[in-house]
Amino acid sequence: TQLLEQSPQFLSIQEGENLTVYCNSSSVFSSLQWYRQEPGEGPVLLVTVVTGGEVKKLKRLTFQFGDARKDSSLHITAAQPGDTGLYLCAGAGTQGGSEKLVFGKGTKLTVNP
Amino acid sequence: EAQVTQNPRYLITVTGKKLTVTCSQNMNHEYMSWYRQDPGLGLRQIYYSMNVEVTDKGDVPEGYKVSRKEKRNFPLILESPSPNQTSLYFCASSFFPVNEQFFGPGTRLTVL
Repeated sequence: TQLLEQSPQFLSIQEGENLTVYCNSSSVFSSLQWYRQEPGEGPVLLVTVVTGGEVKKLKRLTFQFGDARKDSSLHITAAQPGDTGLYLCAGAGTQGGSEKLVFGKGTKLTVNP
Repeated sequence: EAQVTQNPRYLITVTGKKLTVTCSQNMNHEYMSWYRQDPGLGLRQIYYSMNVEVTDKGDVPEGYKVSRKEKRNFPLILESPSPNQTSLYFCASSFFPVNEQFFGPGTRLTVL
C-alpha cells in the first residue's frame, strides 16, 4: 500500500514568516498534487508536479518534486493570514493494477496577523 | 460555472434512520468518488465510480452504498447510520482517477 506522510501535522506562525511543509513516501509516484482546503470548503488544487526535480512557483508558494519522485515540499514565503488552511498532498500511483490517487493526512497551517 | 454540488450541507440524524447525500457535477466527468474526512485520519475514500453503472469499493466502504445511474449524479446512501459514521463527507469528480479532483463543499453529518 502506498502511503504519503505529511509533516508537520500542525503549524502556527506569524504573518511574514517563511515555512516549508513536507510530503514523503517510500513509494514512487508518477505525479504529485497539492491541494489547499479552507475551513468549510472542499480541497482545491494548487499545483501538479510531474517530473523528478521539478520546481513550480505560484506567487509566494514554491513546490518541489523530489528527484526520485518519492517526496515533495511546499515552501511559502512571507506567509499571510489568507494562507491559513489545510494543505494536502496527493500522489498518483498504481494499486492492484489500477491507477489511484493517495492522499496524505495534511498539514494544518495557521498564519496569525 | 463548473462545480460539484452536495446536499445537504449539514445533517443531524439518529441511529438507524436511512439517509441519502446527493452529489452532482456539471463537468461531464467520468470518475466520481466519495470521501470521508476525520481528524487525524485525513481523507479516506469510501466508494468510487469509473462510469455509469460502474462502482467499486474504496478503502472504507462498510455501512455505505452508492449508485451511478446517470453520469452527473453519484448519491451516497447510509441505510442504517451509526454514530461512527459521524464525519465530514466530500464528493469529488474528475476525468480520470489520478487527474485533478474537483471537490464538493462537503456534508457534515452527525449521527446521534
